[in-house]
Order: sequence, then structure tokens, then C-alpha cells
Amino acid sequence: GAVVSQHPSWVICKSGTSVKIECRSLDFQATTMFWYRQFPKQSLMLMATSNEGSKATYEQGVEKDKFLINHASLTLSTLTVTSAHPEDSSFYICSARSDRENQPQHFGDGTRLSIL
Amino acid sequence: DQQVKQNSPSLSVQEGRISILNCDYTNSMFDYFLWYKKYPAEGPTFLISISSIKDKNEDGRFTVFLNKSAKHLSLHIVPSQPGDSAVYFCAASAWGNTPLVFGKGTRLSVIA
Repeated sequence: GAVVSQHPSWVICKSGTSVKIECRSLDFQATTMFWYRQFPKQSLMLMATSNEGSKATYEQGVEKDKFLINHASLTLSTLTVTSAHPEDSSFYICSARSDRENQPQHFGDGTRLSIL
Repeated sequence: DQQVKQNSPSLSVQEGRISILNCDYTNSMFDYFLWYKKYPAEGPTFLISISSIKDKNEDGRFTVFLNKSAKHLSLHIVPSQPGDSAVYFCAASAWGNTPLVFGKGTRLSVIA
């Protein structure tokens, strides 16, 4: 089946650091990629939708200057958490989908971000 | 306002029996529905989907039923196995490949 690789799987860093998370679709071209955040015992909350070659669409309440998304190719999207603070600690998950209609999103294994 | 609701946060089932996970939605524009399985500290894994033109889709031990008039879908797992223990998310999207909207998940525990 389709594989989405997310890296790194776990990051611990100091407050004020910027952290970049990569999401790659390994065996299909992903026109659209999504970034989610999950708090403990909560559902997946969509943060933003990124389309290859264009600016990401952010959900209401998500700071675009805080969470920078780049989708420069059909197989790679990155999420950069800028000047991270403890409240940014969370589980971040990306997903990718081909441009064929009604295809499932395939998810990466997530990145656990811990800001000290 | 939650557009996709999974009202049971948890479910326990004996091994070999049927597991039934339920999901309700409110947005009548939704026409594509999916179930994902998630283990702790991993991303969700796609299980099965159904489009609104069908009322049933089956894949091995997994069957999804869709009742459009009731805006309700369910996932049946039979027979249930201990390895099925995980959190199951229901998700839906509208025509045109809009982003998925997820429910809060149901934690299934299959007891040997």
C-alpha cells in the first residue's frame, strides 16, 4: 500500500528553537498534503492543507507565521515550528493524498515534539 | 460544532465476537467516509472506505455500513482479534476531495 514517511519521529528541544518536520510520499505523487496535530485523548485536528507549488491553506486559529509549511515537490512537504514554546508540544502527523478523486489519505507515523 | 461524532469513547469485546463501532455525521454534503485504525505514537492506518453511492463495503473481516437517511455509519469487525485493539477513527469528506473531518475516536479493546 501507499507509504508516507515522516521524520523525525521524536524531537526534544529547548524553548525558542525552530523545528522542521518532513513528510514524504514514497510511492505516489501527493498533490495535496495535510498537517494535523493531536492532543492527548483528542481527535486529529487539521492545521493546514498544502498543495504542491502553492501556499498552504491554514485552518482558523492556526498561526501561519508560527507553523511554516512548504510543499515544494510532489513527494515532500515540511512543517517548521518556529520559535517553539512548551505549549507547542504535541503529536504532529502528516498525511498525503493523490489527486485522484475519493482516494484515502495515507498518514505518516507522526512526530512527537517536546519543548522544554 | 462536531460534524463527525463517535459517541462511544471505548468498547470492549471478547475475542471471536463481533465489534461494532458507530459514527454519526451532520453534514449532508459528506459523500466519502473512511475508517482509520491508530496505535499509540503512530499515525492512523487506513482500513476501509465507502462512498455515498453504496450502503455496504466489505474487506475481509471488516465491513462498513452506511445509512444516508440516518447519517450514520458503522464498522463491523468479525471475528474480533486481540490485535484489533486500537483507537478507531471515523472520517468524512465532501465532494471534490476536501479535507477529511475526523471523529474523536473509539478505543476498542479485544479481550482474549
